[in-house]
Amino acid sequence: QVQLVQSGAEVKKPGASVKVSCKASGYTFTSYGISWVRQAPGQGLEWMGWISAYNGNTNYAQKLQGRVTMTTDTSTSTAYMELRSLRSDDTAVYYCARDRGVAVATWDDYWGQGTLVTVSS
Amino acid sequence: DIVMTQSPDSLAVSLGERATINCKSSQSVLYSSNNKNYLAWYQQKPGQPPKLLIYWASTRESGVPDRFSGSGSGTDFTLTISSLQAEDVAVYYCQQYYSTPLGLTFGPGTKVDIK
Repeated sequence: QVQLVQSGAEVKKPGASVKVSCKASGYTFTSYGISWVRQAPGQGLEWMGWISAYNGNTNYAQKLQGRVTMTTDTSTSTAYMELRSLRSDDTAVYYCARDRGVAVATWDDYWGQGTLVTVSS
Repeated sequence: DIVMTQSPDSLAVSLGERATINCKSSQSVLYSSNNKNYLAWYQQKPGQPPKLLIYWASTRESGVPDRFSGSGSGTDFTLTISSLQAEDVAVYYCQQYYSTPLGLTFGPGTKVDIK
């Protein structure tokens, strides 16, 4: 069965960086993309970006350009999302999801359990 | 960016009754070359990740009960729950995946409760 297992909760200070991992299993990793979506406490869903697990092409949300980097390690079927220069409004649950698009971002059919990132001084 | 809006913000429906959620995009998400609407619907229950319900505006994901249906085209879309069940209490989001170079966007969500 398809599973996406994310790394554990993080507490970071403003200005620091965080790197969240997402290990995929139960499917051919390089046949899909991986999307990253975040959700601030009590708020809606915010699309952060997408990476093709086939060729590493990325597509980031404009508001995060320059602060976010998404990568994959096909040898371990793991995706990573690094967010730099953290601010208090980056406090959120971060989700990875399997994206049905391998060439462009589309819809997401399986989701990780979420990783809470808290930014606080 | 394509801006997605949803209405209502919340609604309460009696068990077994119909629930209707509307989603509107600031520009068309219908791709003329393949006549497909680049719109998906997700359900999120408290403390859980979102769950895919519908893609291509009206294609139900495998395993999703047939009481969930999606309709609409261009800029106006609807998610209908034909007979509300207790387990359908959740927040529902629409998402466009038309403007992939510029970024995908979610609607603000619609909360569905039992009356």
